[in-house]
Amino acid sequence: RKEVEQDPGPFNVPEGATVAFNCTYSNSASQSFFWYRQDCRKEPKLLMSVYSSGNEDGRFTAQLNRASQYISLLIRDSKLSDSATYLCVLNSGNTPLVFGKGTRLSVIA
Amino acid sequence: NAGVTQTPKFQVLKTGQSMTLQCAQDMNHEYMSWYRQDPGMGLRLIHYSVGAGITDQGEVPNGYNVSRSTTEDFPLRLLSAAPSQTSVYFCASKNQGSYTGELFFGEGSRLTVL
Repeated sequence: RKEVEQDPGPFNVPEGATVAFNCTYSNSASQSFFWYRQDCRKEPKLLMSVYSSGNEDGRFTAQLNRASQYISLLIRDSKLSDSATYLCVLNSGNTPLVFGKGTRLSVIA
Repeated sequence: NAGVTQTPKFQVLKTGQSMTLQCAQDMNHEYMSWYRQDPGMGLRLIHYSVGAGITDQGEVPNGYNVSRSTTEDFPLRLLSAAPSQTSVYFCASKNQGSYTGELFFGEGSRLTVL
């Protein structure tokens, strides 16, 4: 099993829709989790951290399920500007961060 | 507020040529790293460093050398370029030992090897 797995997509959704991505991980020792966003031909940037209790930042909600070893990202009321690739990222302490290959989202007018 | 600066942004090489991709950060981060990104492959770690004088190999180190003589700089050297090294290269840094996932990336260097 790969360390981090994501559905590559693309997810094509209309403006205003709600969309959710999951990411599964194999290392149960993973300690912290994040979602990064990467726009086309740009560098990745941190979108949000993922906490055990779940956390929300505006239209974005991230959740962690340690028992089933997955994290999720929910985007409500999708905007055209949300079109990007979303990367799932794990941190297992002092080892390098582990990146998923990303899920591509395209929001259509 | 420069952050992580990579040069050059674009480069075309011939097979067998050597070159150095430069990376500098002004955030006093202990941890620095180099990734390559290819279509369908995601980000793959080439080399990383947890402080000046310390480097380690990542997932795909072959064909690349690094050194870390200062906290600020982490150059990536291609000793004898091959077409398989055509890629987008990202340098990134963060505070070592921090559980924050905020890795700060440079804007990338697009390398083509003919």
